[in-house]
Amino acid sequence: KQEVTQIPAALSVPEGENLVLNCSFTDSAIYNLQWFRQDPGKGLTSLLLIQSSQREQTSGRLNASLDKSSGRSTLYIAASQPGDSATYLCAVRRVETSGSRLTFGEGTQLTVNP
Amino acid sequence: GAVVSQHPSRVICKSGTSVKIECRSLDFQATTMFWYRQFPKQSLMLMATSNEGSKATYEQGVEKDKFLINHASLTLSTLTVTSAHPEDSSFYICSAQRGPGRIYGYTFGSGTRLTVV
Repeated sequence: KQEVTQIPAALSVPEGENLVLNCSFTDSAIYNLQWFRQDPGKGLTSLLLIQSSQREQTSGRLNASLDKSSGRSTLYIAASQPGDSATYLCAVRRVETSGSRLTFGEGTQLTVNP
Repeated sequence: GAVVSQHPSRVICKSGTSVKIECRSLDFQATTMFWYRQFPKQSLMLMATSNEGSKATYEQGVEKDKFLINHASLTLSTLTVTSAHPEDSSFYICSAQRGPGRIYGYTFGSGTRLTVV
């Protein structure tokens, strides 16, 4: 059974810092990995999608890496801003079929202080 | 981009009544949609997989008679919480995939906060 762990559970940083969020998964046989952002009381916003054959994906100040063999992914946020404050979730998908479920980590709650 | 619309965003109902939550894919067809439940400070828990034109697949421990799922078209899935009780109060979120998995990930609705009083 796939298990996804995110470290740290919570993180508080001053504005402008670069930071790294970690995600690990126990079964390396994944199809892809997706990073999401969730604001309080809201749904999930997809940030980055990394296919199993890819090593990293970038979008603006965000960079996500994937090391499938070691079961790890990191989300790097450059020059953090107060607006980045949210809970960040990573989720892995086992197979390509449309009914394939996501397995989520518990999330990292990020607070960026002005 | 792919948009999944979920309604209502908030609902308060009396214990014993039923509540219906809608999940629509606005600009794509979704043969499969997923329904999740989220408790405060916790991650998402998959409740069921909704398949267009067939019965939903429920996760272990989820009562299918309690949480009725209907996926009658390629753009609409509904979750009905029947005979709701205070312990059913939670945040419910749906998701769907726009197209091939190698290109698209999953898109999520904005969630429904259900409070049963």
